[in-house]
Amino acid sequence: GENVEQHPSTLSVQEGDSAVIKCTYSDSASNYFPWYKQELGKGPQLIIDIRSNVGEKKDQRIAVTLNKTAKHFSLHITETQPEDSAVYFCAASISGTASKLTFGTGTRLQVTL
Amino acid sequence: KAGVTQTPRYLIKTRGQQVTLSCSPISGHRSVSWYQQTPGQGLQFLFEYFSETQRNKGNFPGRFSGRQFSNSRSEMNVSTLELGDSALYLCASSFTPQNTEAFFGQGTRLTVV
Repeated sequence: GENVEQHPSTLSVQEGDSAVIKCTYSDSASNYFPWYKQELGKGPQLIIDIRSNVGEKKDQRIAVTLNKTAKHFSLHITETQPEDSAVYFCAASISGTASKLTFGTGTRLQVTL
Repeated sequence: KAGVTQTPRYLIKTRGQQVTLSCSPISGHRSVSWYQQTPGQGLQFLFEYFSETQRNKGNFPGRFSGRQFSNSRSEMNVSTLELGDSALYLCASSFTPQNTEAFFGQGTRLTVV
């Protein structure tokens, strides 16, 4: 089955700096790659996603890149703010939808003042 | 509109007992998925239901089961509880399995003692 590896497990950046989280997947049939943000005491919330026919997608300060050949995708957060502090999960799916997602192990991002 | 509602929020059970968790999806959503979240294994897919039918099942033992009712509400059951079943159980809903945005509830924290 699909396996998703995520790095780093923890990341500390200063406010205003950029943060990058990387994931690799094993199943070349995976075609949908969402990123979720989980704040303390809450369920994961979708922040951005990308399909396999797209190389990059951007939404304000957040961007995701996908390299199908290398089977890896990354989350980029620019101009980080304290409210960006949370645990971020990458995920992959072969269905092209949020059906039966395989998640990475998570990255705890801490944005310090 | 109301989000995904999971009840109860917290639960303490003894080894060998069984437990039933409930999930009410967002109004109009007919697809419900369940995930187990633990510090060691991260988020792992349990099962997915749509129109009262199980569409997908993850790699969990038969002690884990679920069902969906005609009003799209879903329940999952774990029988013969083990210490390792202690986890946050998350439910996610979407309009249909073909949608890319899944909305997660806050989860039920199960502790097995």
